[in-house]
Amino acid sequence: NAGVMQNPRHLVRRRGQEARLRCSPMKGHSHVYWYRQLPEEGLKFMVYLQKENIIDESGMPKERFSAEFPKEGPSILRIQQVVRGDSAAYFCASSPQESNTGELFFGEGSRLTVL
Amino acid sequence: GENVEQHPSTLSVQEGDSAVIKCTYSDSASNYFPWYKQELGKRPQLIIDIRSNVGEKKDQRIAVTLNKTAKHFSLHITETQPEDSAVYFCAAGSARQLTFGSGTQLTVLP
Repeated sequence: NAGVMQNPRHLVRRRGQEARLRCSPMKGHSHVYWYRQLPEEGLKFMVYLQKENIIDESGMPKERFSAEFPKEGPSILRIQQVVRGDSAAYFCASSPQESNTGELFFGEGSRLTVL
Repeated sequence: GENVEQHPSTLSVQEGDSAVIKCTYSDSASNYFPWYKQELGKRPQLIIDIRSNVGEKKDQRIAVTLNKTAKHFSLHITETQPEDSAVYFCAAGSARQLTFGSGTQLTVLP
C-alpha cells in the first residue's frame, strides 16, 4: 500500500510563473490536507478537501492560491504568479475518514523555490 | 483560532538521558494532540498522540502527558539514542485542522 505520493519533489519557478503541486492520497483515503512549512518553522494548515469539495480553506491566502481534489486524479495545489515568499515545502497529508481525532499520513513534500 | 507554543526550540542531551519537550495551546475545544518527528528533508511522522479524555499515554521509551485544565502537554523520551535526533513538532486541534508548534531540534550526543 503506497503512502501519500507528492510530485514534483522539487520545483523551481521564476517570479510570476505558476506552480502546480500534486498529491495522491493513500489508497482508501478520501480526505486531503495541505500544509506549508517555511524553513526552520512548523507546519501551517492551508486547506482541507474531500473529493470535489473544499471543506476548510481558512489557511489559504486569499489571492493566487487555489486547491482542488477532483473526482478522478490527484489533489492539486496551484500557486499563480509566484513570489519569493512562496518558497517553502508544501506537504500533503491524507486520512481515511473525517473524525475529530485521527492520524494524518504525510507525503514527502514538494519543495518550491522561487528565483 | 488555536495558538500552540512549543519549548525549547533546541535541546541537546547525552545519549541515555531523558528529553522533555513542552507545548501549550489556547483553544479549549482542541481534543487531539499528536507529536510528529521529522528528520532532515523527510516527511513528518506520527510518533505518539493523545486524546482529550486521557491524561497520559506511553509507548516504550516515549510518553505524552496532557493537562487540559492548564492547556499544556508534554513529550518525554527516555533512554535517548542518537537516532532520536530530529525535529519534533507538537500539534493541537482536530484531524480536520491541526495547529503545529514551531518545533524542537533534538540532538542526542553519543
